[in-house]
Amino acid sequence: IQLTQSPSSLSASVGDRVTITCRASQGISSFLAWYQQKPGKAPDLLIYAASTLQNGVPSRFSGSGSGTDFTLTISSLQPEDFATYYCQHLNSYPFTFGQGTRLEIK
Amino acid sequence: EVQLVESGGGLVQPGGSLRLSCAASGFIGSNYYIDWVRQAPGGGLEWVANVRQDGHDTNYVDSVRGRFTISRDNAKNSLYLQMNSLRVEDTAVYYCIAAITFMGGRYWLDSWGPGTLVTVSP
Repeated sequence: IQLTQSPSSLSASVGDRVTITCRASQGISSFLAWYQQKPGKAPDLLIYAASTLQNGVPSRFSGSGSGTDFTLTISSLQPEDFATYYCQHLNSYPFTFGQGTRLEIK
Repeated sequence: EVQLVESGGGLVQPGGSLRLSCAASGFIGSNYYIDWVRQAPGGGLEWVANVRQDGHDTNYVDSVRGRFTISRDNAKNSLYLQMNSLRVEDTAVYYCIAAITFMGGRYWLDSWGPGTLVTVSP
């Protein structure tokens, strides 16, 4: 199963609403997670099961979708949100990742 | 809170072997998976393998199957990734992850170690 994220990179300003999409090459139900990775650090789980917020993750992050099309939305960008975001499916082995979306400050 | 620490990374020649260790501390519960994910320098994330806590279910990505093996030592609360026949393209930071959160029939990758760098080079 291939995951395609769009866009690959994105420039935005603090306070903006941002949406990242992840499209699966076949249906994966709701077996999708989103991660945030900052340079030199391990990824952090943000959302699992497509829409469930991980404990401690700010409510400005939200996820939606099922089947083949998924979105990660940040409602109001904060300075600490500038990072790279990855989606990953857990539908079947191997648990592949999307190629990543780099979110940069405009 | 679970904490994971990887060790054993380093420089190895193509065709060589390396064994990575993953040590867990804190309460991890009785049902979970341990996953390995790698990231080539400047690249994206690649899921590599996982094992259920009882060791009876292991899974590998095709590119490492037959070369990498997961094993565990419960007495030491440690898990190992034995990597044989290493290739230049195996060069990456390797992360050990505890997949503890169970929802919808899946164990989600929620506790990541800081990673250990493996460099395969002549």
